[in-house]
Amino acid sequence: NAGVMQNPRHLVRRRGQEARLRCSPMKGHSHVYWYRQLPEEGLKFMVYLQKENIIDESGMPKERFSAEFPKEGPSILRIQQVVRGDSAAYFCASWPGQPQETQYFGPGTRLLVL
Amino acid sequence: AQSVTQLGSHVSVSEGALVLLRCNYSSSVPPYLFWYVQYPNQGLQLLLKYTSAATLVKGINGFEAEFKKSETSFHLTKPSAHMSDAAEYFCAVTTAGNQFYFGTGTSLTVIP
Repeated sequence: NAGVMQNPRHLVRRRGQEARLRCSPMKGHSHVYWYRQLPEEGLKFMVYLQKENIIDESGMPKERFSAEFPKEGPSILRIQQVVRGDSAAYFCASWPGQPQETQYFGPGTRLLVL
Repeated sequence: AQSVTQLGSHVSVSEGALVLLRCNYSSSVPPYLFWYVQYPNQGLQLLLKYTSAATLVKGINGFEAEFKKSETSFHLTKPSAHMSDAAEYFCAVTTAGNQFYFGTGTSLTVIP
C-alpha cells in the first residue's frame, strides 16, 4: 500500500515562473490537504479538496495560487509568477474520510525561488 | 472553532531524561487529538492519536500522551529521551474530522 506521493521533491524556479506541485493520495483516499511550511515555522493550512471540489481554500492566497483535484490523476497546487517569498516546503496530506482517522502526509516538495 | 497551543517552541533535554511536550486544545465538542513527528527534510509521521477510547494513549518509539478533559490538555511524554528523538513535534486537533488544526510545533533537542 503505497503512501502519499509528492513530486517533484525539489523544485527550483526563477521569479515570475510557474511552479506546479503534484500530490497522489493514498489508495482509496478522496480527501487532500495542502500545507505550507516556512523555515522555523509550523504548518500553515492552505486548501482542502475532495475529488473535483474545493472544500476550503481559506488558507490560500487569493492571487497566483490555485489548486485542483480532478476525477482522475493527482492533486495539483499551482503557483503562478512565483516570488522569493514562495520559497517553502509544501506538504500534501490525504485522509480517508472517517472522523477518527489521521491524515497521512507526503514527503513534501521543497520550492526554491531564485 | 478548534485550536491548538503548543507551549515552548524549543525544548532541550539530556539523553535519558524525561521528555514533556505540552499541548492544549480548544474545542466546543469532543475532539480527536494527534501528535506527529517530523524529522529534517521529511513529512509528518503519526506518533499517536486519541479518539475517545482510553485517555492514556501509547504511541510509537516509547511515546505516550494523556487526554485530560478538565485541563484541555494532551501532553506528550517519554520517560527516557534518546538521541534519535531529536525532531519537530506537532500537536493537532479535529472534531468533525475534515478540518485539522495544527500547533506551531516544538523543536526537541537531545543533549548527549
